[in-house]
Amino acid sequence: EAGVAQSPRYKIIEKRQSVAFWCNPISGHATLYWYQQILGQGPKLLIQFQNNGVVDDSQLPKDRFSAERLKGVDSTLKIQPAKLEDSAVYLCASSLNHVQETQYFGPGTRLLVL
Amino acid sequence: RKEVEQDPGPFNVPEGATVAFNCTYSNSASQSFFWYRQDCRKEPKLLMSVYSSGNEDGRFTAQLNRASQYISLLIRDSKLSDSATYLCVVNTNTGNQFYFGTGTSLTVIP
Repeated sequence: EAGVAQSPRYKIIEKRQSVAFWCNPISGHATLYWYQQILGQGPKLLIQFQNNGVVDDSQLPKDRFSAERLKGVDSTLKIQPAKLEDSAVYLCASSLNHVQETQYFGPGTRLLVL
Repeated sequence: RKEVEQDPGPFNVPEGATVAFNCTYSNSASQSFFWYRQDCRKEPKLLMSVYSSGNEDGRFTAQLNRASQYISLLIRDSKLSDSATYLCVVNTNTGNQFYFGTGTSLTVIP
């Protein structure tokens, strides 16, 4: 079974630039999550989708971050404009359906903002 | 106060040792609890779910204490391959919020 795919794996940009990350969840997984993991910290949930609807985005900095999940499959996370403090690993995860089920994480996108 | 708190360590233990990690959570309405393992520069992977009655998987035992709002992970007979960061995860079903601890770093020494 193919795992969660993410691209790009690495990205280096300058502050105030824009960047987008892509995630393809495990086939058939209805729930998709985006996390931000800053070095030395645990992952922080940014947004959670159930199919193509947003379940929770309370920790998403909406002035600069946006995410969508068209057709309830792939998802993109965008940062515009980026700040130095956005340097982190952005992890995408998916689960079959219910929040109590196992989350499977992708390899992440490492973002460095200079 | 953080939703989930863990001792970041690091814990450095010899092979064969027994080591225990604790994690406390602030929301008494929390319903689901997990331990994830994260290797250096890798993604987190589920180690085990934590059930009210406690559960065991080989050398790993997880326990939940709702009254004191903490969960624990016990690793017996530590192996070199157990070296990783162990993340405590709590979910409040009512808010569909997953909260990760900062992780506890374990290094098993030959």
